[in-house]
Amino acid sequence: DAKTTQPPSMDCAEGRAANLPCNHSTISGNEYVYWYRQIHSQGPQYIIHGLKNNETNEMASLIITEDRKSSTLILPHATLRDTAVYYCIVRGFNNNAGNMLTFGGGTRLMVKP
Amino acid sequence: GAGVSQSPSNKVTEKGKDVELRCDPISGHTALYWYRQSLGQGLEFLIYFQGNSAPDKSGLPSDRFSAERTGGSVSTLTIQRTQQEDSAVYLCASSLVRVNTEAFFGQGTRLTVV
Repeated sequence: DAKTTQPPSMDCAEGRAANLPCNHSTISGNEYVYWYRQIHSQGPQYIIHGLKNNETNEMASLIITEDRKSSTLILPHATLRDTAVYYCIVRGFNNNAGNMLTFGGGTRLMVKP
Repeated sequence: GAGVSQSPSNKVTEKGKDVELRCDPISGHTALYWYRQSLGQGLEFLIYFQGNSAPDKSGLPSDRFSAERTGGSVSTLTIQRTQQEDSAVYLCASSLVRVNTEAFFGQGTRLTVV
């Protein structure tokens, strides 16, 4: 799986949009971008994923650049409960090892009142 | 069940004892992953099962660690002769083996070696 680079921490005001960046400059054509988050003392929670088109669900939006070398996770109206570590992961599906989920350091998002 | 279930949720054991941690994946999920997370650290991959293929054991930190997956469903992670540095949260995840699917995590087993 390609490596990802995320800022170690970010702050966001409650009610504002949180924009979490991720660089994945070595991503290959058949690899997806996945986002998970981990709230303190819980298992990681799936948020969203995409290949090349922008994606939106009830939790967040995912914006992937045209060259696919970076992406941004957007939480449109952050709440205090969104305080968590957010992980950006690149995941391929082309062989046995390609289904792996390799976690980096993530971004610790602190939503402040 | 509705999600990935892990048991026990907490385990305290004495140094040198063996422990078994259990993971019940979501029904029908043929891929199963084990990770561990030490306090304040990220997720460290341990082992990955995919269907009937040989598991990817590349993340197991020592030969004291082993895992089995019986009947393609329940998995057991065994740690022999536990050491204090084995103290961590052990997380299990499962997924379909199919392009464009997500993996679901259990709540983990918190292991404390005293």
